[in-house]
Amino acid sequence: KNQVEQSPQSLIILEGKNCTLQCNYTVSPFSNLRWYKQDTGRGPVSLTIMTFSENTKSNGRYTATLDADTKQSSLHITASQLSDSASYICVVSEDNAGNMLTFGGGTRLMVKP
Amino acid sequence: DSGVTQTPKHLITATGQRVTLRCSPRSGDLSVYWYQQSLDQGLQFLIQYYNGEERAKGNILERFSAQQFPDLHSELNLSSLELGDSALYFCASSPSSGNQPQHFGDGTRLSIL
Repeated sequence: KNQVEQSPQSLIILEGKNCTLQCNYTVSPFSNLRWYKQDTGRGPVSLTIMTFSENTKSNGRYTATLDADTKQSSLHITASQLSDSASYICVVSEDNAGNMLTFGGGTRLMVKP
Repeated sequence: DSGVTQTPKHLITATGQRVTLRCSPRSGDLSVYWYQQSLDQGLQFLIQYYNGEERAKGNILERFSAQQFPDLHSELNLSSLELGDSALYFCASSPSSGNQPQHFGDGTRLSIL
């Protein structure tokens, strides 16, 4: 069964600190891996999309890495801000059409002043 | 603002009833996706439409149906509602299919009493 596991489930950090969120997947076949940010009560917002051949992709203070051999990805947040408080969701796609998506349960990040 | 509009924002109804959720995709986007997000589960893909035609089906119950109209807006119909159908229902859109980010609306919160 295709699965996407994220860790930790929740995380509290101080403003200005860095953090790394983990994503392990067993989805096969693999097309791409996406990270989304979801603020409470809002829809998810895409941060990065990586295909098999991409090892790293950045979006501002967010940097995602992908190791397709070990089926692991991470999302690194640099110099955290209060507005980074949200759930971060890892999503793996089986096909290029982007509709066979398996979602992780998310990591809930709280940034405190 | 993602450009995806969902109405209504909140819906409260009783078991056994039928409701219709509406989604207007971003201007120019041909693909529309529907997702369900329950409290105890992550996002679950329900169904995708592309330019008026059904493209892919996920974990959508037979009591649920959807359609995409010529103006590209989409509706998700939920019938014979059960308590377990209480959830956030998200619509997302993308220009076509493939490795493109999906832009999510802010969802419709459905509460079944």
